Amino acid sequence: GPKVLQIPSHQIIDMGQMVTLNCDPVSNHLYFYWYKQILGQQMEFLVNFYNGKVMEKSKLFKDQFSVERPDGSYFTLKIQPTALEDSAVYFCASSLELGGQNTLYFGAGTRLSVL
Amino acid sequence: GEQVEQLPSILRVQERSSASINCTYENSASNYFPWYKQEPGENPKLIIDIRSNMERKQIQGLIVLLDKKAKRFSLHITDTQPADSAMYFCAASVGATGGNNKLTFGQGTVLSVIP
Repeated sequence: GPKVLQIPSHQIIDMGQMVTLNCDPVSNHLYFYWYKQILGQQMEFLVNFYNGKVMEKSKLFKDQFSVERPDGSYFTLKIQPTALEDSAVYFCASSLELGGQNTLYFGAGTRLSVL
Repeated sequence: GEQVEQLPSILRVQERSSASINCTYENSASNYFPWYKQEPGENPKLIIDIRSNMERKQIQGLIVLLDKKAKRFSLHITDTQPADSAMYFCAASVGATGGNNKLTFGQGTVLSVIP
């Protein structure tokens, strides 16, 4: 089936540093998402993105977070600067269309460890 | 917003018996309810979904039920196999035209099928 790839699978950084998480969405998909999962808890919506713009973001999407997809390359989540509470698994997802009844395809996640 | 509660958090069943996972939601406008299966280190994969115009849906050994009045939906796995062992997440979203695919996930259920 359609695949969303996330690179890297695990990232370890020191608090205060910048980190960029990369997502290669399904090739013909137009809508992109980031979800955050703290160990043992459910995935929580961070942001969705379409046509170069953030459409909606949650309160978890702090000012230190930003997303972009320059020229159809990776869809990225940048955190600058990182904090200890940013340690989590970050899942990227994409969908062909918008609308709550369209299937989201998830990547395998990037485990971010902030020391 | 939406809140989704999922129970049980851990479920152990004997091979060939059935397994049931239950979820409740708060927002009566939610109209799309997907179920995702996540194996260790893998991405969450959509296994079945149900829309609010249905009360029951079956795909092979997977049955989902939706009770809109009670704001409750459930997944039933019949004739379980060891390969069904995984984490299962329910989710809910509000969406029709103009919806934003903002899935709200339950806390997850770890299913172990004992041979």
